[in-house]
Amino acid sequence: DAGVTQSPTHLIKTRGQQVTLRCSPISGHKSVSWYQQVLGQGPQFIFQYYEKEERGRGNFPDRFSARQFPNYSSELNVNALLLGDSALYLCASSFDRTNEKLFFGSGTQLSVL
Amino acid sequence: AQTVTQSQPEMSVQEAETVTLSCTYDTSENNYYLFWYKQPPSRQMILVIRQEAYKQQNATENRFSVNFQKAAKSFSLKISDSQLGDTAMYFCAHDYGGATNKLIFGTGTLLAVQP
Repeated sequence: DAGVTQSPTHLIKTRGQQVTLRCSPISGHKSVSWYQQVLGQGPQFIFQYYEKEERGRGNFPDRFSARQFPNYSSELNVNALLLGDSALYLCASSFDRTNEKLFFGSGTQLSVL
Repeated sequence: AQTVTQSQPEMSVQEAETVTLSCTYDTSENNYYLFWYKQPPSRQMILVIRQEAYKQQNATENRFSVNFQKAAKSFSLKISDSQLGDTAMYFCAHDYGGATNKLIFGTGTLLAVQP
């Protein structure tokens, strides 16, 4: 079975632009979470979606938004990009909303110039 | 505030030897999970081991084991018979609790296994 897949793997944007990152969870997993990992730090929670509804939100500005589709895949959108948004964005899936076994993808490396 | 602290930014160990990575955390929850994740150069976070806080017995997974001290809020990872493939960043984490599976991560320990 395929693991969590994320696209694209790398992305370069300029300040002020908008970006969309995509994630496909493991088949059968209904919960998708997004994390931001800045260089030299641990991942930081952004969002959790379950059954197409937001179930948790981290301390991120409204420029960050996400959604989950009927097939449980998810998109993370970031508007008005700042230099500080440069990071590895990780997607994780789990069977349900509170299941503690998270499976991570390999991430999307976003560079904002 | 819920926090996770890893005080060892880098560690080195010889192949086949044993190494222990430290982690302390702070939470007001009574029931929670603790985790160690490995992040190799491929960047994918891989679950190494998890511990349920209500279980007193320390978790083990092959060469990996933990020393869980709930009162001290300490959760260290021991890697026995270290292998070159163990070289990676190791992150300690605990779940936030409530109706989500949000994880709070530490800043990581870079482990280098030397041949």
